[in-house]
Amino acid sequence: DAEITQSPRHKITETGRQVTLACHQTWNHNNMFWYRQDLGHGLRLIHYSYGVQDTNKGEVSDGYSVSRSNTEDLPLTLESAASSQTSVYFCASSDRGNTEAFFGQGTRLTVV
Amino acid sequence: GIQVEQSPPDLILQEGANSTLRCNFSDSVNNLQWFHQNPWGQLINLFYIPSGTKQNGRLSATTVATERYSLLYISSSQTTDSGVYFCAVPRTGTYKYIFGTGTRLKVLA
Repeated sequence: DAEITQSPRHKITETGRQVTLACHQTWNHNNMFWYRQDLGHGLRLIHYSYGVQDTNKGEVSDGYSVSRSNTEDLPLTLESAASSQTSVYFCASSDRGNTEAFFGQGTRLTVV
Repeated sequence: GIQVEQSPPDLILQEGANSTLRCNFSDSVNNLQWFHQNPWGQLINLFYIPSGTKQNGRLSATTVATERYSLLYISSSQTTDSGVYFCAVPRTGTYKYIFGTGTRLKVLA
């Protein structure tokens, strides 16, 4: 079955370190997204991509970057981790057109 | 931008009871999804329902796009229904979803 997977599921890192969260989907979807979920804020969009070599900032993009070198993967990089980036991160994908979005299992990141 | 509001924010039910969750949105949409976030944090797709009514077992959903709301019905609730229910709609003209703040449901045995 096609799916979307995130890794790692849990990570603890230190302030100032670079961290990369992986997202891989096997649906061949054009659209991929990264969200963060925090108490009191719900899910907020960090970055998104509508295809290979396309990346765009979402509403909370400061301190994060993404790259899209192939259809299947959209890694999220925290350039210099900060305690404010402690959160649960979700990756999602959808196909062209107004179609259903599917979410990964989430990555719980703690920055100490 | 588009606003998405859900009600009620919290709901406690006895097992076997029925409930209705509501999602209001401030602008016209051509897509809407309902998700269940289970106690382990996973986001489970429930319905992709831009308009009309869909049913899946004990759950059903209705979206009235012209009146800018959607309803999620849970019948004969079970403890496994506990969690947070989110609706999400895309920003106009994009694929970027805006999430409501969710309804936290607890079903007691």
